[in-house]
Amino acid sequence: GENVEQHPSTLSVQEGDSAVIKCTYSDSASNYFPWYKQELGKGPQLIIDIRSNVGEKKDQRIAVTLNKTAKHFSLHITETQPEDSAVYFCAALKAAGNKLTFGGGTRVLVKP
Amino acid sequence: NAGVMQNPRHLVRRRGQEARLRCSPMKGHSHVYWYRQLPEEGLKFMVYLQKENIIDESGMPKERFSAEFPKEGPSILRIQQVVRGDSAAYFCASSRAGGSNQPQHFGDGTRLSIL
Repeated sequence: GENVEQHPSTLSVQEGDSAVIKCTYSDSASNYFPWYKQELGKGPQLIIDIRSNVGEKKDQRIAVTLNKTAKHFSLHITETQPEDSAVYFCAALKAAGNKLTFGGGTRVLVKP
Repeated sequence: NAGVMQNPRHLVRRRGQEARLRCSPMKGHSHVYWYRQLPEEGLKFMVYLQKENIIDESGMPKERFSAEFPKEGPSILRIQQVVRGDSAAYFCASSRAGGSNQPQHFGDGTRLSIL
């Protein structure tokens, strides 16, 4: 089955700096890669996603890149703000599948 | 435009009791997924249902766990004879269609504690 590895497990940045989270996946049949933000006591909230026919996608301060050959994808947050502090999860889904396989999560702390 | 609604938010049960977790999908969504999250871990898939049908239950433990999504009403995840190891956060997600065509949106979960 699919396996998703996520690094780092914790990330501390100064407000205004950039944060980068990296994920690798094992199954070349995966073609959809969402990123979720989870705040304390809440459910995962979809913040951005990318499909395998696209190499990069951007939404304001958030961008995601995908390298299909290397089977890795990354989340970039620029100009970080304290409200970006949360746990971020990457995930992968196969074209004909229905179950998301999640990475282990990255706890991001943005220090004012 | 309500999101995915889960209840209860917190549930405490003693070992051997039954736990029932409910999930109402977003309006217009007929696909429901259940995931389990242990502390400090990512979410693990349990089961995928459409109305009145279980499509994929490959992540469900073979015993004590069952799920349904009836024609009317919410989806139910049922855990019989709970044990300490069942303590976790259980999340429900819904989508408008299956596969990778439509994103999965999550509720805020039910935190199950077993005494």
